[in-house]
Amino acid sequence: KQEVTQIPAALSVPEGENLVLNCSFTDSAIYNLQWFRQDPGKGLTSLLLIQSSQREQTSGRLNASLDKSSGRSTLYIAASQPGDSATYLCAVFTNFGNEKLTFGTGTRLTIIP
Amino acid sequence: GAVVSQHPSRVICKSGTSVKIECRSLDFQATTMFWYRQFPKQSLMLMATSNEGSKATYEQGVEKDKFLINHASLTLSTLTVTSAHPEDSSFYICSARPSGSKNIQYFGAGTRLSVL
Repeated sequence: KQEVTQIPAALSVPEGENLVLNCSFTDSAIYNLQWFRQDPGKGLTSLLLIQSSQREQTSGRLNASLDKSSGRSTLYIAASQPGDSATYLCAVFTNFGNEKLTFGTGTRLTIIP
Repeated sequence: GAVVSQHPSRVICKSGTSVKIECRSLDFQATTMFWYRQFPKQSLMLMATSNEGSKATYEQGVEKDKFLINHASLTLSTLTVTSAHPEDSSFYICSARPSGSKNIQYFGAGTRLSVL
């Protein structure tokens, strides 16, 4: 059974700093890994999707890396802004006969102005 | 981009009543839709996979008679919480996978259910 863990559970950093969020998964047989953002009481916004054959994806100030063999992914946020405050979830698509999207526990990020 | 509409965004109901939540893919067809549940400060947990024209597949521990799923068309799936109780209060999110695609889901904005 795939398990996805995110560390830390919560993080507070001053505005302008660069930061890294971590995601680990137990089964490396994944199709892809996706990072989402969730604002309080809201749905999910997809940030980046990395296919299993890729090492990283970039979008603006965000960079996501994937090391499938070690079961790890990181989300790097450069020059953080107060608007980046949200919960960040990683999720992996795993094939156990039927496709399933397994979510991590999330990291609640607070950017301090 | 692909848009999934979920309605209502928030619902408050009395204990014992039933509540229906709709999930629509607005600009694509979705043979498969998914229903997730999220408790406060926890991650999303898959409840069931909804397949157009056939019965839904429920995850272990999810009561199929409690959470009725209907996927009558390629753009609409509904989740009905029957005889709701306070412990059913939660945030429910749907997602839809475009027909013919694989390993991609587009998410709705979620429904906050509060049962009094």
